[in-house]
Amino acid sequence: DAKTTQPNSMESNEEEPVHLPCNHSTISGTDYIHWYRQLPSQGPEYVIHGLTSNVNNRMASLAIAEDRKSSTLILHCATLRDAAVYYCILRVGGTSYGKLTFGQGTILTVHP
Amino acid sequence: GEEVAQTPKHLVRGEGQKAKLYCAPIKGHSYVFWYQQVLKNEFKFLISFQNENVFDETGMPKERFSAKCLPNSPCSLEIQATKLEDSAVYFCASSQPGGRDGEKLFFGSGTQLSVL
Repeated sequence: DAKTTQPNSMESNEEEPVHLPCNHSTISGTDYIHWYRQLPSQGPEYVIHGLTSNVNNRMASLAIAEDRKSSTLILHCATLRDAAVYYCILRVGGTSYGKLTFGQGTILTVHP
Repeated sequence: GEEVAQTPKHLVRGEGQKAKLYCAPIKGHSYVFWYQQVLKNEFKFLISFQNENVFDETGMPKERFSAKCLPNSPCSLEIQATKLEDSAVYFCASSQPGGRDGEKLFFGSGTQLSVL
């Protein structure tokens, strides 16, 4: 599986935007970029995914570099409830039934 | 149901005892996945099913671990003769390819297994 690299941790203040980076230099042409997050004592939760174009949904935005070797998850206005571990995952071959391979993730701390 | 239901929430076993974990996927979802989270951030894929058929078992330990998804029953993950290193949170997820949410995996809240 293609690998992703994320910072171990990041901090933010409440009501400020947060940009969570992810490097995936070995991404292949059909790999989709997925983001999940895990809140304390819960299972992972889908956040967003994309292939080439930037994506927006009610939770976040995903900005994908033109060469697709990196991407950034953007939380436009962080709240305390956004404190979680954020995982950037490549879904091999874009298969919607294949497994997700989790990396280490980024621990996001949000300060009041 | 509208969410993945995992039971029990907590399970304590002595070393060498059997442990059985259950997962009811979201109604209408045909794919089920099992993951093991040993340390806080490290997920290990174990096995996936398409309906009652094993789809991908590349992460499944060959010994002691087995899993089933039978029609009209919750899926199960069984560990024979548990070891201390099996202590972890076990997550189940389900998905239904195609449609609006086809790319998403929906996870349960996990079963915390403690082997003493």
